[in-house]
Amino acid sequence: GQNIDQPTEMTATEGAIVQINCTYQTSGFNGLFWYQQHAGEAPTFLSYNVLDGLEEKGRFSSFLSRSKGYSYLLLKELQMKDSASYLCAAKDSNYQLIWGAGTKLIIKP
Amino acid sequence: DADVTQTPRNRITKTGKRIMLECSQTKGHDRMYWYRQDPGLGLRLIYYSFDVKDINKGEISDGYSVSRQAQAKFSLSLESAIPNQTALYFCATSDLMREGLDEQFFGPGTRLTVL
Repeated sequence: GQNIDQPTEMTATEGAIVQINCTYQTSGFNGLFWYQQHAGEAPTFLSYNVLDGLEEKGRFSSFLSRSKGYSYLLLKELQMKDSASYLCAAKDSNYQLIWGAGTKLIIKP
Repeated sequence: DADVTQTPRNRITKTGKRIMLECSQTKGHDRMYWYRQDPGLGLRLIYYSFDVKDINKGEISDGYSVSRQAQAKFSLSLESAIPNQTALYFCATSDLMREGLDEQFFGPGTRLTVL
């Protein structure tokens, strides 16, 4: 079966760094996505990795290891507005996204 | 104006009723999707369409049907609503870009309650 695993909840301090991990098992692989979803709102796109390595975009970076079926999202200089759920999704051999349940990130002052 | 709109935003209905959720987009994208989101679960794909003449079942299509009336419009119907279809429903659109990237743009969601 296809599966995406990520922690249910994480807590971090304003100004700090947090890493959200994601492991995936899919039939085929055609890319890994990270989305941000604030409570009661729609998901919004953060990053995309299809090759191994690190993609950096401002305070956010995303890493992919295809051989390990592993990705992480790194958030630096945390701000209170970063409190949200972070959704990991892998695209399978049919080019469909398989979504994780999301990691709720709580930022404390 | 929002690029992807959904109507209604909230709906309460009774078991057995037929319900239609509508999605419109002004992004000019060919690809459109319907998802449901339940607490503790990931987004699950119900149906998707890559163009007006293309309709495909997703992971959980049973009990649902769709209509792609135009490039900009994609409707989801619940033929006979049941309580376990109570969920948050999202419409999304995308267009294929570089290296397989098809970032999905989501509508604001429709919260459906079936009593």
